[in-house]
Amino acid sequence: DTEVTQTPKHLVMGMTNKKSLKCEQHMGHRAMYWYKQKAKKPPELMFVYSYEKLSINESVPSRFSPECPNSSLLNLHLHALQPEDSALYLCASSPGGRESAYNEQFFGPGTRLTVL
Amino acid sequence: QKEVEQNSGPLSVPEGAIASLNCTYSDRGSQSFFWYRQYSGKSPELIMSIYSNGDKEDGRFTAQLNKASQYVSLLIRDSQPSDSATYLCAVRSSGSARQLTFGSGTQLTVLP
Repeated sequence: DTEVTQTPKHLVMGMTNKKSLKCEQHMGHRAMYWYKQKAKKPPELMFVYSYEKLSINESVPSRFSPECPNSSLLNLHLHALQPEDSALYLCASSPGGRESAYNEQFFGPGTRLTVL
Repeated sequence: QKEVEQNSGPLSVPEGAIASLNCTYSDRGSQSFFWYRQYSGKSPELIMSIYSNGDKEDGRFTAQLNKASQYVSLLIRDSQPSDSATYLCAVRSSGSARQLTFGSGTQLTVLP
């Protein structure tokens, strides 16, 4: 199994809703990432988990809350989002921990989020 | 500010031609370099990684790295319409962060 899976594929939510995005990989990778991508822009790093510990938080607003329940799963909890948070949210994983120099990152298909 | 620069394009080549995509980076200590292909509405797909100076070939794709010039390129031989996509250059930074920095991407169109 060489896939990163993400659910749901599409999500529409209001500004007062609470929702969660889920990501799963079964490749034994030890680092997992959340990225945000707006149209015609490159992915922007949000969070990095290395060996199930949060190691990078790129000054992301607290309305985004990551969680890593185990080495295969990564969640992103969403609360009180703004319309400008509408984007493609990408999960990625890589084999080594964050310090590994030769870390290829593999992306999941993404969740297309629309905030009304 | 560690930066990765790409020509945004769009780049158009005829079917069967060689497409050449270029990328420069500012962090001289960078160690690993990646090319991702992203179709419209889809997620990035890793197509090449390169770590040492020189060329690395995989099928119709060749990645070239010149660390002295801080330059990495991707050549696509015998371009096909299915190669039409945005190509993202990504560089793994040095230092404690070691995260990927992405270029803005080059949009490639292969004309039948």
